[in-house]
Amino acid sequence: AQSVTQLGSHVSVSEGALVLLRCNYSSSVPPYLFWYVQYPNQGLQLLLKYTTGATLVKGINGFEAEFKKSETSFHLTKPSAHMSDAAEYFCAVSQMNRDDKIIFGKGTRLHILP
Amino acid sequence: DGGITQSPKYLFRKEGQNVTLSCEQNLNHDAMYWYRQDPGQGLRLIYYSQIVNDFQKGDIAEGYSVSREKKESFPLTVTSAQKNPTAFYLCASSIKGYYGYTFGSGTRLTVV
Repeated sequence: AQSVTQLGSHVSVSEGALVLLRCNYSSSVPPYLFWYVQYPNQGLQLLLKYTTGATLVKGINGFEAEFKKSETSFHLTKPSAHMSDAAEYFCAVSQMNRDDKIIFGKGTRLHILP
Repeated sequence: DGGITQSPKYLFRKEGQNVTLSCEQNLNHDAMYWYRQDPGQGLRLIYYSQIVNDFQKGDIAEGYSVSREKKESFPLTVTSAQKNPTAFYLCASSIKGYYGYTFGSGTRLTVV
């Protein structure tokens, strides 16, 4: 069975500091991995995804994530936080040609301190 | 532009009433999903459909019903049997689920 664990339901960083949101997954076969962002009272928007190939994936708004199979991790990073990055972030996992649903983590709310 | 549209954005319901949330997509996606979101609880799957005229229960289907008569549409009915319906409801669609979802902008349902 697949599962996703996001470490920290709330993370606070100062404006201009590094953003690091942690995600670990469990999957019996090679996974597809996703990060979504949700702004208040809006739907989820895809930030980036890993399917196959290059393990460092670049997304929108300056975010990137690295797939580390040995650590079963897919942490999201951004070198310099901006006030507009304040939102909730969801990590998710799926398995190609298996169950057709994506499994979401419980989310991490990112707070940006001025 | 292709996308997925949820309506209305805000909905108020009296206790004991059924209410239907609309979800329409013009992305030609086969699969559609309904999620419920409560503060601190992430996304919980209510129902999903991978093909027209077929749908499956998710983790919290009790008190909800759906239909999938057209590929573009997947309405969700919140029935009076749902004891705590106040929540944010999200609809999503996908070509194949494991490739990722496209989400609508959500409907916030409040029971008054």
